[in-house]
Amino acid sequence: EVQLVESGGGLVQPGGSLRLSCVASGFTFSNFAMNWVRQAPGKGLEWVSGIIGGGGDTKYGDSVKGRFTISRDNSEKTLYLQMDSLRVEDTAVYYCAKDRWELLRGNYFDYWGQGALVTVSS
Amino acid sequence: QSALTQPASVSGSPGQSITISCTGSSRDVGAYRYVSWYQQHPDRAPKLLISDVSNRPSGVSIRFSGSKSGNTASLTISGLQTEDEAVYYCSSYATNSHVLFGGGTKLTVL
Repeated sequence: EVQLVESGGGLVQPGGSLRLSCVASGFTFSNFAMNWVRQAPGKGLEWVSGIIGGGGDTKYGDSVKGRFTISRDNSEKTLYLQMDSLRVEDTAVYYCAKDRWELLRGNYFDYWGQGALVTVSS
Repeated sequence: QSALTQPASVSGSPGQSITISCTGSSRDVGAYRYVSWYQQHPDRAPKLLISDVSNRPSGVSIRFSGSKSGNTASLTISGLQTEDEAVYYCSSYATNSHVLFGGGTKLTVL
């Protein structure tokens, strides 16, 4: 059974940093691209970032490029999202999502974690 | 790139069929067959319903079907059931290698 478990969410001040983690199980982690998708309170889904199975290529949404960094440790089956220079508008539930295959192309997300809430407020 | 355009809400009675549209552009929906649909119940993670325009993953009811024409994709739910009441999102891969989502459509089963 595929499982994705996020952690690391919490309250942070504007301008601060936070790192999210997502531990995967039930599939060969290194064979699949992984993504972060967020959802602001009462709003829709927004793709944040993706990373290929081997970790050598990453993509970012325009709203987070230059502030967020996605990475992965395939030996630990863990996906990360380092969030710096956080803004109030980054407040959202952040979901870890497994991709269909190893590449960042034609993505769809077949398994999702339960989400981690990040609140940016003073 | 802007988000894909979906109607904010649709409604139907049990047993009826409804269709949700998802309009993009030649740089996303119109460029590839990489359109997917997700269902989200309140306080739950999204669930994949349709991939690659019209493919249903194992375990998804045959009542859910997808199609595409030009820059617009559609999700049809037939034989509406009360448990179908949820928010539905479309998604498309885009030519800039990004993933776009629609704004979501709230389905009410009357």
